[in-house]
Amino acid sequence: DTAVSQTPKYLVTQMGNDKSIKCEQNLGHDTMYWYKQDSKKFLKIMFSYNNKELIINETVPNRFSPKSPDKAHLNLHINSLELGDSAVYFCASSPGQGRNTGELFFGEGSRLTVL
Amino acid sequence: AQSVTQPDIHITVSEGASLELRCNYSYGATPYLFWYVQSPGQGLQLLLKYFSGDTLVQGIKGFEAEFKRSQSSFNLRKPSVHWSDAAEYFCAVGGRSNYQLIWGAGTKLIIKP
Repeated sequence: DTAVSQTPKYLVTQMGNDKSIKCEQNLGHDTMYWYKQDSKKFLKIMFSYNNKELIINETVPNRFSPKSPDKAHLNLHINSLELGDSAVYFCASSPGQGRNTGELFFGEGSRLTVL
Repeated sequence: AQSVTQPDIHITVSEGASLELRCNYSYGATPYLFWYVQSPGQGLQLLLKYFSGDTLVQGIKGFEAEFKRSQSSFNLRKPSVHWSDAAEYFCAVGGRSNYQLIWGAGTKLIIKP
């Protein structure tokens, strides 16, 4: 059973298109995250939701919109894709405030290539 | 300013040799410290963490790390590396709420046969 699963694993698309990445966790965690990892492996947090409430919204273009239909799911929709959006996007979860051990459980990543 | 510095972009070690990866942090409150490992094509996995207590912490895969408050360091060590340890290693620091970790830039570990 995969704890944090993301789909798709690979995504190749043209500039200007709109795409979504889905994430689901079966750990019962309260908090979920989206991270972007660039070609130099630098990790940048994008968003975090705690029990479906947005708690971290870093400075990312508003073309990126997260959606959390329930606490087990956090999807990422990207409009009008640009070349600079090419990266690996990681979803992660953690137990949440009060029970937060600081341990993040990561998905395997979704590699987005914009042509 | 809060930051994590991993001074070595990459390190090459012979299989069976000992390893130390450096991590220095700057954090305004009591730090919670973490080491994560990312194998090629994979997500990150927690190796170990330090919250309080014994400053030498043991993790998975035979790794350990030592918290030195006076040096603001949290270096990762392993007595004898295996080829399967080749990966990217990330140090991170956070506070009690830990919604947002501060990440280092990573150190790539290369293992020589």
